[in-house]
Amino acid sequence: QVQLVQSGHEVKKPGASVKVSCKASGYIFNTYGIYWVRQAPGQGLEWMGWISVYNGNTKYAQKFQGRVTMTTDTSINTAYLELRSLRSDDTAIYYCARDIDFLDFWGQGTQVTVSS
Amino acid sequence: DIQMTQSPPSLSASVGDRVTITCRASQGIDNYLAWYQQKPGKAPNLLIYGASTLQSGVPSRFSGSGSGTEFTLTINSLQPEDVGIYYCQRYDSAPRISFGPGTKVEIK
Repeated sequence: QVQLVQSGHEVKKPGASVKVSCKASGYIFNTYGIYWVRQAPGQGLEWMGWISVYNGNTKYAQKFQGRVTMTTDTSINTAYLELRSLRSDDTAIYYCARDIDFLDFWGQGTQVTVSS
Repeated sequence: DIQMTQSPPSLSASVGDRVTITCRASQGIDNYLAWYQQKPGKAPNLLIYGASTLQSGVPSRFSGSGSGTEFTLTINSLQPEDVGIYYCQRYDSAPRISFGPGTKVEIK
């Protein structure tokens, strides 16, 4: 069965970076892209970007351009989201999801807390 | 940019009621629309794609309709386990996607 398992809770200070991982299983990893979506406390879903696992192409939301990098390691079926220069308003749950244009399987989410 | 809106922002209905949520796009998106349910403390779960195609394993009391700029999600016979927040998502310009603001569904 398809599963996306994300790394655990992170607590970071303002200005730091965070790298969240998303390990896929149950399907051929490089035949689907990966979306990253975040959800601030009590808020809705926000698209951050997408990566093609097949060729590494990326699309980032304008809001995160210059601060975000999405990568994959196909040898271990894992996608990564790195967000730099963290601010308090980056406190959120970060989700990866499998791309079939819409999002059919989601990771369990990774809580990232930014606090001094 | 195409904006997505949802109405109502929240609703409270009784078990067994029929519930309808509307999602509107500021420009036409054909049928490139999906619906998700998010239960408290959980990741979203895909309910419907292509505006009206039920995802495998989703109960048949959920249905979707619409095309262009106006879409609806209907829950026939609301159940206690349907409590949560429902989001629509456009994917006409995938992988650049966006979500509606959500509709919170509660049991009266």
